[in-house]
Amino acid sequence: QKEVEQDPGPLSVPEGAIVSLNCTYSNSAFQYFMWYRQYSRKGPELLMYTYSSGNKEDGRFTAQVDKSSKYISLFIRDSQPSDSATYLCATGGLTGGGNKLTFGTGTQLKVEL
Amino acid sequence: DAGVTQSPTHLIKTRGQQVTLRCSPKSGHDTVSWYQQALGQGPQFIFQYYEEEERQRGNFPDRFSGHQFPNYSSELNVNALLLGDSALYLCASSPQPTSGGNEQFFGPGTRLTVL
Repeated sequence: QKEVEQDPGPLSVPEGAIVSLNCTYSNSAFQYFMWYRQYSRKGPELLMYTYSSGNKEDGRFTAQVDKSSKYISLFIRDSQPSDSATYLCATGGLTGGGNKLTFGTGTQLKVEL
Repeated sequence: DAGVTQSPTHLIKTRGQQVTLRCSPKSGHDTVSWYQQALGQGPQFIFQYYEEEERQRGNFPDRFSGHQFPNYSSELNVNALLLGDSALYLCASSPQPTSGGNEQFFGPGTRLTVL
């Protein structure tokens, strides 16, 4: 079993839709959670970072963490064609002296006109 | 403010050769991590460097080695290349792990193709 599970999609939605992206994780030692956006053949871009259960909002993006069920979500409101990318969830904790990230496989999102 | 930079952008090597990839961290960051991303997969942690020492290592063979310089820049070396080493190699920088800054910022990556 992978430490972080993420549905690879692809997920196709119409412009303006609300998008829900989800991950589950298995390691209780994970303390912080991130969402990255990655365009084709580019490096991941940090979208959201949170370290506690609850919601964090930034513009059209909301990250949600439920540590009791080990479930993390990213919501995108009013989705735009420019949001078409692969979305990666990542988790980490201060273990082994460092802060390595463990990633999901990524969900490919396409927002259509 | 320059972000994380990596060189080269692309690289083609043959099996058995050796390769060196380079990374300069974001200004103000002193910790560098390297990840390998195979096509259609999420990045896999290789190792992390802080104060010129390997701080943490993932599940990669000893063929993968690295170095960090006094200016915080870093190199990733891979010896005896295998076809399976073909991937996007990503460098990420962050503030010192225990200072509370756990966000990692990635560079554009180096795409390595092994023939």
